[in-house]
Amino acid sequence: AQTVTQSQPEMSVQEAETVTLSCTYDTSESNYYLFWYKQPPSRQMILVIRQEAYKQQNATENRFSVNFQKAAKSFSLKISDSQLGDTAMYFCAFMKPLNQGAQKLVFGQGTRLTINP
Amino acid sequence: DTGVSQDPRHKITKRGQNVTFRCDPISEHNRLYWYRQTLGQGPEFLTYFQNEAQLEKSRLLSDRFSAERPKGSFSTLEIQRTEQGDSAMYLCASSPTRDRATNEKLFFGSGTQLSVL
Repeated sequence: AQTVTQSQPEMSVQEAETVTLSCTYDTSESNYYLFWYKQPPSRQMILVIRQEAYKQQNATENRFSVNFQKAAKSFSLKISDSQLGDTAMYFCAFMKPLNQGAQKLVFGQGTRLTINP
Repeated sequence: DTGVSQDPRHKITKRGQNVTFRCDPISEHNRLYWYRQTLGQGPEFLTYFQNEAQLEKSRLLSDRFSAERPKGSFSTLEIQRTEQGDSAMYLCASSPTRDRATNEKLFFGSGTQLSVL
């Protein structure tokens, strides 16, 4: 069974600093997708970034980038120049196939990130 | 784009009562998912619809839970004889089926927070 582990329950940094959130996962599949979702106090899950396992290049989205280490099954998120609006719960997720092309997400426990002014 | 809409936003009920939640996905999204998120945890998959067909159900979905999507548009999730352990946030998500790359992105609603007293 696929599992996703986030070992940092909480993190706190000053505005404009860089922060890295850790995530490890376990799977026997060779091709899959990994995601980072953000959940602010509004509760809506917002996709931050995604990575396809067969792509060697790490994904980047503006201030957000990942360090994907397939052999180590590690998928960390780096937030550069952090902003107050980045304060939220961050969830790492693994996408597992369902029937007829659909997929389900297996989430980690989350990391609560606070950006301080 | 109005996003995924969920109603109600909050629901407080007494143990043993029945409750029903509604989800309106993004228009023309064929796939609809329900997830449950308990306090301090990541969301867990409950069930999935392709149009009106319920194609996958998690073992988390006991016989007190039933979900429908009668016309392939909105969906309802009913919990009968609620228990205190049902207290959680129930999230709905939808995705289109135009292509595989688009399939991988789920659009989440803001959830229904259920409290069973």
